[in-house]
Amino acid sequence: DADVTQTPRNRITKTGKRIMLECSQTKGHDRMYWYRQDPGLGLRLIYYSFDVKDINKGEISDGYSVSRQAQAKFSLSLESAIPNQTALYFCATSDWGEGQPQHFGDGTRLSIL
Amino acid sequence: RKEVEQDPGPFNVPEGATVAFNCTYSNSASQSFFWYRQDCRKEPKLLMSVYSSGNEDGRFTAQLNRASQYISLLIRDSKLSDSATYLCVVNDGGNTGFQKLVFGTGTRLLVSP
Repeated sequence: DADVTQTPRNRITKTGKRIMLECSQTKGHDRMYWYRQDPGLGLRLIYYSFDVKDINKGEISDGYSVSRQAQAKFSLSLESAIPNQTALYFCATSDWGEGQPQHFGDGTRLSIL
Repeated sequence: RKEVEQDPGPFNVPEGATVAFNCTYSNSASQSFFWYRQDCRKEPKLLMSVYSSGNEDGRFTAQLNRASQYISLLIRDSKLSDSATYLCVVNDGGNTGFQKLVFGTGTRLLVSP
């Protein structure tokens, strides 16, 4: 089983709909992250969380919100989806400490029509 | 100037060739560095961390030059399975323990028979 699991894997929806992407992990990491990836651009950080009570905006948080329901679960919501939010979304986790790498889920391919 | 810059490629090489990728970063306070590999439509996977003294893992060698703010990845004896996009990743969080990973857009490698 994957250590970092994202659901759904693919989603097609219409403009204006509310979408939730879910991420769960079995690595026991406190830190969790949401990224999006667009063609020709590097991964960009949307939100990150260092523990259940800690939520922080990344560089492109507008139009998104998150919820850290438990250490193992971190959800990303698009309150009112728009076409330029069509992208590949990744959840990642990491352990504490300097130099710790991040471990990614399989990704969610989201298309907004 | 982009925070992390990579040649997008693609690099087309025959099996058995040696290929080198370069990456420059703009923040001199960056503390940790990584190379990730990403297959088409898949999640990024950690290939190796990059240490100040340079490090090797089998056919892969990573080098860091802090003075020039430059990171390299050398792949020897290329295999067909090495075909992927290689992401240069820099932790811009300084020494606070915070991991602000900045991703390059990746260098694409195609290894042919």
